[in-house]
Amino acid sequence: DTEVTQTPKHLVMGMTNKKSLKCEQHMGHRAMYWYKQKAKKPPELMFVYSYEKLSINESVPSRFSPECPNSSLLNLHLHALQPEDSALYLCASSQAGRSYEQYFGPGTRLTVT
Amino acid sequence: SQQGEEDPQALSIQEGENATMNCSYKTSINNLQWYRQNSGRGLVHLILIRSNEREKHSGRLRVTLDTSKKSSSLLITASRAADTASYFCATVPSGAGSYQLTFGKGTKLSVIP
Repeated sequence: DTEVTQTPKHLVMGMTNKKSLKCEQHMGHRAMYWYKQKAKKPPELMFVYSYEKLSINESVPSRFSPECPNSSLLNLHLHALQPEDSALYLCASSQAGRSYEQYFGPGTRLTVT
Repeated sequence: SQQGEEDPQALSIQEGENATMNCSYKTSINNLQWYRQNSGRGLVHLILIRSNEREKHSGRLRVTLDTSKKSSSLLITASRAADTASYFCATVPSGAGSYQLTFGKGTKLSVIP
């Protein structure tokens, strides 16, 4: 199984809402990632988890809170977002290390109203 | 931050023609990867080339790497309409520490049937 799944596919939320994005993989990968992608732009790294520990936080605002409950799951908790946070949020996983490709999920299209 | 710069930003060709995309980067790398993204969906890994490799093939894809010029190219031969997508190069830095991907701005390829 080489699939990364993400739920939900689409999410519309108000600025006062709290919601969560979920990501799951069953490839035994020990590195998992969150990216943010705006229209016509490349993905921008937000967080990296390695062996269930947060190893990189690319200066992401605290209204985004990642969580890695186990080696297969990755969550992104959202609170008090701004309209400019509307984007495609991509989850990816890979073997831990330098020379491995990343497997991406289909993304969650988030709209903040 | 973005490392790679793809050239051209957009490319339109007829089905059956070859498509060449170029990528330049700024810092020393461990490897360079190419990804494809169909409109609004997740990225798909195409090929990984290590810093000590100069050329790599995978099916209709040919990737070259010139570390002295800090550049790479992706050639898609005998293009098909299904190749229509955005193509991103992504680099993994060399040296100790993190191994996150940094994406270039991408080339949008349109293959006309």
